[in-house]
Amino acid sequence: QQQVKQSPQSLIVQKGGISIINCAYENTAFDYFPWYQQFPGKGPALLIAIRPDVSEKKEGRFTISFNKSAKQFSLHIMDSQPGDSATYFCAASKRGGGSTLGRLYFGRGTQLTVWP
Amino acid sequence: DTGVSQNPRHKITKRGQNVTFRCDPISEHNRLYWYRQTLGQGPEFLTYFQNEAQLEKSRLLSDRFSAERPKGSFSTLEIQRTEQGDSAMYLCASSLGGPGANVLTFGAGSRLTVL
Repeated sequence: QQQVKQSPQSLIVQKGGISIINCAYENTAFDYFPWYQQFPGKGPALLIAIRPDVSEKKEGRFTISFNKSAKQFSLHIMDSQPGDSATYFCAASKRGGGSTLGRLYFGRGTQLTVWP
Repeated sequence: DTGVSQNPRHKITKRGQNVTFRCDPISEHNRLYWYRQTLGQGPEFLTYFQNEAQLEKSRLLSDRFSAERPKGSFSTLEIQRTEQGDSAMYLCASSLGGPGANVLTFGAGSRLTVL
């Protein structure tokens, strides 16, 4: 059972355009929502993350929008560049102490291609 | 410190053989995680250590899998009697404890191919 559902599976965007990737979850115990970027042959790297007490977080060209009532969150990449071409994963983890922290539930990933 | 290091990067083995992967986490991180990633999927949690104690194991971690972190520093993941279904990328990650526990730094992974 996929705890975090991600769409689209692949995305092609023109240079300078906006890339939007969406994720949805069901478990209301989730309280940390990171996005990871993965290049071929590399491990996932943390890009940006949000907690449900805010509706939006922006870091440079990357923005997370969070809708707690709809249990959805999305990644927006403004002014997309060819160097942004990678696979993006949304993830979620539960609140609480101990081992629950750090146990991330990942979406299936979105392969982004930005054409020059 | 150059991040999380994993070795070997690639391993090709025949079905039935044993393989071992090593992970060296970021030195000040006391938490260490193993994840598995198959083609077209996101990483899936396998197991987790806090210092040398293995505190949680996923149902994905069958009896053929064993992980250790003997001195709370590096960790090994051994797969015995490998099967073709074990072919995957095995990712190691580490994090601090406390509020930083959610922030995982991943290694580049060890890719296993079972023939």
